[in-house]
Amino acid sequence: DTAVSQTPKYLVTQMGNDKSIKCEQNLGHDTMYWYKQDSKKFLKIMFSYNNKELIINETVPNRFSPKSPDKAHLNLHINSLELGDSAVYFCASSQGELGTQYFGPGTRLLVL
Amino acid sequence: QKEVEQNSGPLSVPEGAIASLNCTYSDRGSQSFFWYRQYSGKSPELIMFIYSNGDKEDGRFTAQLNKASQYVSLLIRDSQPSDSATYLCAVNRGSNYQLIWGAGTKLIIKP
Repeated sequence: DTAVSQTPKYLVTQMGNDKSIKCEQNLGHDTMYWYKQDSKKFLKIMFSYNNKELIINETVPNRFSPKSPDKAHLNLHINSLELGDSAVYFCASSQGELGTQYFGPGTRLLVL
Repeated sequence: QKEVEQNSGPLSVPEGAIASLNCTYSDRGSQSFFWYRQYSGKSPELIMFIYSNGDKEDGRFTAQLNKASQYVSLLIRDSQPSDSATYLCAVNRGSNYQLIWGAGTKLIIKP
């Protein structure tokens, strides 16, 4: 049973399109995150939700909009995709903000 | 100065030797320190975490904290080729507990 799952695993799309990535965790955690990992492997926090409420919103273009329908799900919608959005997007979850973070398998986004 | 810094490597270590990875951090209020391993094309996975009250050993892995000098290290004894990966250090900010990540050190264990 996968603890943190993401769909899709791969996403290839054209510039200007809108796309969504979904994340689900079955660990019973109350905090979920979205990270972006670029080609240089630097892991950068984008958003964090605790009990469905946004607690971290780093400097991210407003084309990115997270949504947490419940504690087990955190989705990421991206409008008007740009070439620079190409990266691996990881979802993670933890119990509380101090808890160990567990990562999903990642979504590899390629914008052409 | 970056909040969490790591030497990007690659660090090359012969099989069976001790691999030593270091991470420096800038926030003196940080109290939680994590080491993750990331294989190429995979997601980060937790190896160990330590809190500000001491070092920790788990099998071949030892995490050491030096609060005075603001660095945390990871030692891997009896290095194996399967230890070849990128090792990410993460540190909680003291003010809001947000986890701040280093850029990772690429470790290569040579048979």
